[in-house]
Amino acid sequence: DTAVSQTPKYLVTQMGNDKSIKCEQNLGHDTMYWYKQDSKKFLKIMFSYNNKELIINETVPNRFSPKSPDKAHLNLHINSLELGDSAVYFCASSQALSYEQFFGPGTRLTVL
Amino acid sequence: DQQVKQNSPSLSVQEGRISILNCDYTNSMFDYFLWYKKYPAEGPTFLISISSIKDKNEDGRFTVFLNKSAKHLSLHIVPSQPGDSAVYFCAAAKGDDMRFGAGTRLTVKP
Repeated sequence: DTAVSQTPKYLVTQMGNDKSIKCEQNLGHDTMYWYKQDSKKFLKIMFSYNNKELIINETVPNRFSPKSPDKAHLNLHINSLELGDSAVYFCASSQALSYEQFFGPGTRLTVL
Repeated sequence: DQQVKQNSPSLSVQEGRISILNCDYTNSMFDYFLWYKKYPAEGPTFLISISSIKDKNEDGRFTVFLNKSAKHLSLHIVPSQPGDSAVYFCAAAKGDDMRFGAGTRLTVKP
């Protein structure tokens, strides 16, 4: 009965490929996020969605695009993968106006 | 431009003793602060938070202290237990903006 789930857990792919990571939350939260944890272990926010509206978009390449089919899902699509995209990506969710976020288990992306 | 810094990448303490994890921030506009705990192969989980109108918040063995003038917060765990061994991230927030530190790996030895 996982609160925030991500698939896949591991993703190994070649440079130039297009891939997606799925995220689902069953907490009834209004806001969902994508974070990238880089090689220096910093968690950096990439996107957040509130009621299907993008409300934060940090300076990430436009090869990355979030897609939210409904309030419970926020998928991350990545086009033309590059070596530097290798990282752990975390999905998270929260109630609107709350800083307390619930994180998924992470997806380790390796680009070869 | 790392606005939240955890300068100690690791900390080792003996079971039963106090663990003190430190965090510094540079943006005085931050008005809400959180600590998250992360076990291997899992996502971070919320631990405790504090608003800038307070200087201390306590929850069981965990206490967060905030020193606004020094732009510094700390997490105290007492007594430390082996199950507390994890990576601890501090975060600072204002409006839609929340920034995380790089984390401190705490090891509590039995």
